[in-house]
Amino acid sequence: AQSVTQPDIHITVSEGASLELRCNYSYGATPYLFWYVQSPGQGLQLLLKYFSGDTLVQGIKGFEAEFKRSQSSFNLRKPSVHWSDAAEYFCAVGGGATNKLIFGTGTLLAVQP
Amino acid sequence: SAVISQKPSRDICQRGTSLTIQCQVDSQVTMMFWYRQQPGQSLTLIATANQGSEATYESGFVIDKFPISRPNLTFSTLTVSNMSPEDSSIYLCSVVGGNTIYFGEGSWLTVV
Repeated sequence: AQSVTQPDIHITVSEGASLELRCNYSYGATPYLFWYVQSPGQGLQLLLKYFSGDTLVQGIKGFEAEFKRSQSSFNLRKPSVHWSDAAEYFCAVGGGATNKLIFGTGTLLAVQP
Repeated sequence: SAVISQKPSRDICQRGTSLTIQCQVDSQVTMMFWYRQQPGQSLTLIATANQGSEATYESGFVIDKFPISRPNLTFSTLTVSNMSPEDSSIYLCSVVGGNTIYFGEGSWLTVV
């Protein structure tokens, strides 16, 4: 079955610390992978995506993610977190002609001063 | 990129009524999607809406409850029918633009 797992429901980091949000997926075909961010009261904003090629992808706001096929993972990282990064982060997988996305349950990030 | 506008952005609805959500895209797109995000939950796909054909619903969603229209390549509507408090959710429109999937800001519905 196709699925996305975000094992961390809630993470708290200090401002300036590094961040890694985990995402594991199960998908029968070549996956297209996405990270979205949802700030309180806002819609979804695309941070980055992976379709093919270089497995380390750069996104907006200083985020990056690495696709590891052997581990079925697509973890999101940021070297130094800012208070404005506090939000909920969703990993999603899709692919093929349907373009339907399967979302993880999200990770809520809190940033301490 | 694609810019998606949804209306209404928020609404409070009475139990038993219906509400239609509009999704307008600034460019022509073939595929449009409607997702639901219940409070504290992740996003779940309701249906795929392609212009000129009936919407395709995911398991657990039916046309009588969530009728969808797709009259042209830039517009779609989702109606939430006979609402109950369990329908209180964010409803998001999504489109494929280039090789990216974009989302609208969402329509936040509260059913009382």
